[in-house]
Amino acid sequence: DQQVKQNSPSLSVQEGRISILNCDYTNSMFDYFLWYKKYPAEGPTFLISISSIKDKNEDGRFTVFLNKSAKHLSLHIVPSQPGDSAVYFCAAAYSGAGSYQLTFGKGTKLSVIP
Amino acid sequence: EAQVTQNPRYLITVTGKKLTVTCSQNMNHEYMSWYRQDPGLGLRQIYYSMNVEVTDKGDVPEGYKVSRKEKRNFPLILESPSPNQTSLYFCASSTPRDGGGYTFGSGTRLTVV
Repeated sequence: DQQVKQNSPSLSVQEGRISILNCDYTNSMFDYFLWYKKYPAEGPTFLISISSIKDKNEDGRFTVFLNKSAKHLSLHIVPSQPGDSAVYFCAAAYSGAGSYQLTFGKGTKLSVIP
Repeated sequence: EAQVTQNPRYLITVTGKKLTVTCSQNMNHEYMSWYRQDPGLGLRQIYYSMNVEVTDKGDVPEGYKVSRKEKRNFPLILESPSPNQTSLYFCASSTPRDGGGYTFGSGTRLTVV
């Protein structure tokens, strides 16, 4: 049973426009959410996170929104740049167990077209 | 430079020949974890460790072993590799002080023939 779902395997966006990547989760115990970015032949790199006590977190061009009632989060990239082309993984964690065990989605491949 | 180092980067081996993929981190992180990435399946956790001598199974532990004798090292052992373990493997480390953001290594591409 997939607890973290990224239903769009790929997304194409024009340079300068907004990219919106979506993620849904089923486990209501998750209280911490992260986005990772992965280029080919490299390990995933941490991008941005949000705690369940917030509904928005912003870092430069990247903003993550959390809708707890819908069990949905999204990553907005504004404006999108060609260097943003990568696979984006959504991850969720339950901190109550004393450790941050991350459960990942399957990823969304973002292509930013110049 | 803070990093997670995996070796080797690429490995081709034959079925049944024991192998070890090493992982080392220089950030004094308590948590370490191994993931495998397969097409269409994303990142799946194999094993994790919350501290020295404390390890536990992740989602796909079958066919793998780990050990955590020192805080910085977390090797992944395949006692008898099989072709279905052909995959891209990532080691990662974290600390609660970082809010849960794992730092990943560059990956090990393993092919078992």
